[in-house]
Amino acid sequence: DAKTTQPPSMDCAEGRAANLPCNHSTISGNEYVYWYRQIHSQGPQYIIHGLKNNETNEMASLIITEDRKSSTLILPHATLRDTAVYYCIVRPSNNAGNMLTFGGGTRLMVKP
Amino acid sequence: DVKVTQSSRYLVKRTGEKVFLECVQDMDHENMFWYRQDPGLGLRLIYFSYDVKMKEKGDIPEGYSVSREKKERFSLILESASTNQTSMYLCASSSGGPTYNEQFFGPGTRLTVL
Repeated sequence: DAKTTQPPSMDCAEGRAANLPCNHSTISGNEYVYWYRQIHSQGPQYIIHGLKNNETNEMASLIITEDRKSSTLILPHATLRDTAVYYCIVRPSNNAGNMLTFGGGTRLMVKP
Repeated sequence: DVKVTQSSRYLVKRTGEKVFLECVQDMDHENMFWYRQDPGLGLRLIYFSYDVKMKEKGDIPEGYSVSREKKERFSLILESASTNQTSMYLCASSSGGPTYNEQFFGPGTRLTVL
């Protein structure tokens, strides 16, 4: 699976948009971009995924660049409960066993 | 809602003890996973299972074994616990099929081996 690079930490003011970047310059054509987050003392939680088109759901938006070498997860109105570690993962959609490889992630701190 | 439960949130064991970590999911998922999480290393896959009685090694299977006798239950076994197995252990499950399906995680078990 392609490797991802994320900043280790970010701050965001409550109510503002949080934009979390991820670089995946070695992504291949059949690999999707997935985002999970882990709130303190809980297991990781799926957020969103995409291939090449931008995606939006009730939690977040995912913007993938045209060359697919990077992406941004957007939390449009961050709340204190969005404080968590956010993981960006790339993998093929048809990978047997549904395995995920988590890196270090970005620790997002939402401040009042 | 999918629920993945783990038998303990916190566990303290002594070196050399045999340790069982239990995981149960209630959504009839085919796939189940065991990860460990350590500071600076992210989550690392230990073992996974895609069907009853089936198991596959992950990235770091050494020192661990697993058991899946029933679809809803996936057990992680430390045959002889060592201090370097002190970690947070996370169980996950997902539905099967040829394409990726979202993984649902349990709350984790923080294991300390003295």
